[in-house]
Amino acid sequence: GDSVTQMEGPVTLSEEAFLTINCTYTATGYPSLFWYVQYPGEGLQLLLKATKADDKGSNKGFEATYRKETTSFHLEKGSVQVSDSAVYFCALFTGQAGTALIFGKGTTLSVSS
Amino acid sequence: DVKVTQSSRYLVKRTGEKVFLECVQDMDHENMFWYRQDPGLGLRLIYFSYDVKMKEKGDIPEGYSVSREKKERFSLILESASTNQTSMYLCASTRTSGGRGELFFGEGSRLTVL
Repeated sequence: GDSVTQMEGPVTLSEEAFLTINCTYTATGYPSLFWYVQYPGEGLQLLLKATKADDKGSNKGFEATYRKETTSFHLEKGSVQVSDSAVYFCALFTGQAGTALIFGKGTTLSVSS
Repeated sequence: DVKVTQSSRYLVKRTGEKVFLECVQDMDHENMFWYRQDPGLGLRLIYFSYDVKMKEKGDIPEGYSVSREKKERFSLILESASTNQTSMYLCASTRTSGGRGELFFGEGSRLTVL
């Protein structure tokens, strides 16, 4: 079945470090891919998305490129801040009738000053 | 500002009690979801609904039921709470036409069953 695999955390970085969180997927057809973020004490919110191969989603300095050949959607940021500390979830949506968003298990990022 | 509101942020219940978790959205979305979030397990889908009075089982529906009598409201019911249902519960909604993967989440309801 369809699934999402994320790198396990926690990821601990110093401020201004480069961030990569790996995400790979298994799906039939051509899914849309998403990154959601959950800040402490809050619900999830959409960070960025890509709906077709080679699309790049970006928001708040984060980027991810939809790579069909490697079935990946890795999240990157060139210089993290303390305020980026959160849990990050990769997700896919196939759009098939009667289906819902499928999430990875989440990766906790902790950034120290 | 669009909003998904969950009625209780924190609840403490006893084993065997009936528990209602309420969720209301003000975006006129057709689709609503209940997820459960546990450390190391991520988000797991319990039930979802794509229309009033319609419901679909997710990955872990056992021990839960849902009600969608009005478009804006989606309730999760634990008929007889058990300690293994201690968890964070997240409600979400999305529209049907375009952007179905773009979920809007509530802040969560943390349930403790003693």
